[in-house]
Amino acid sequence: DAGVIQSPRHEVTEMGQEVTLRCKPISGHDYLFWYRQTMMRGLELLIYFNNNVPIDDSGMPEDRFSAKMPNASFSTLKIQPSEPRDSAVYFCASSLGTATNEKLFFGSGTQLSVL
Amino acid sequence: AQKITQTQPGMFVQEKEAVTLDCTYDTSDQSYGLFWYKQPSSGEMIFLIYQGSYDEQNATEGRYSLNFQKARKSANLVISASQLGDSAMYFCAMRGSYNTDKLIFGTGTRLQVFP
Repeated sequence: DAGVIQSPRHEVTEMGQEVTLRCKPISGHDYLFWYRQTMMRGLELLIYFNNNVPIDDSGMPEDRFSAKMPNASFSTLKIQPSEPRDSAVYFCASSLGTATNEKLFFGSGTQLSVL
Repeated sequence: AQKITQTQPGMFVQEKEAVTLDCTYDTSDQSYGLFWYKQPSSGEMIFLIYQGSYDEQNATEGRYSLNFQKARKSANLVISASQLGDSAMYFCAMRGSYNTDKLIFGTGTRLQVFP
């Protein structure tokens, strides 16, 4: 399997622009997670999906952030409008389930820089 | 609430020596899982090792072992025979049985291996 695939690897944009991050989970994995990593706050869970349905979006910082999972093989995280404080590494991860021994498989991340 | 604490922001170790990275956790769950991930400078998150709360033996995976002390709520990662390629950030994480969907991460420890 190719693993979790994220695109783009790097994104540089200007404040106010719309940014869309993409993720393809591992085939057969029912759970998809979006994390954000910053120096100040570490790894934060933003939102996660089970069978394409958003389950918990309490980590989404504000209304500028939205996430969708239109099918089992694709998810997007959108920021509109973007702000410099959104600069971070955004990870997508997937897992088969959520038993206590179920590990997450991470994508390579998207390094977002908002100027 | 569940919490993971990694008190060592940075650690140094000489090549071929062993090193212990500390992790303590807090949970009221009886059943839970503990994970360690490695993040090299390239940025990806690599799963290293897993320990279940009911596992009687400490987990081992090659040069990695987990020193699990349940009464102390600690799950320290031991890397034996350190290699230069072990230089990376290391994250401890936990998934509980009550709210199993979320994998909660510590703030990480940066390990540097020198010749």
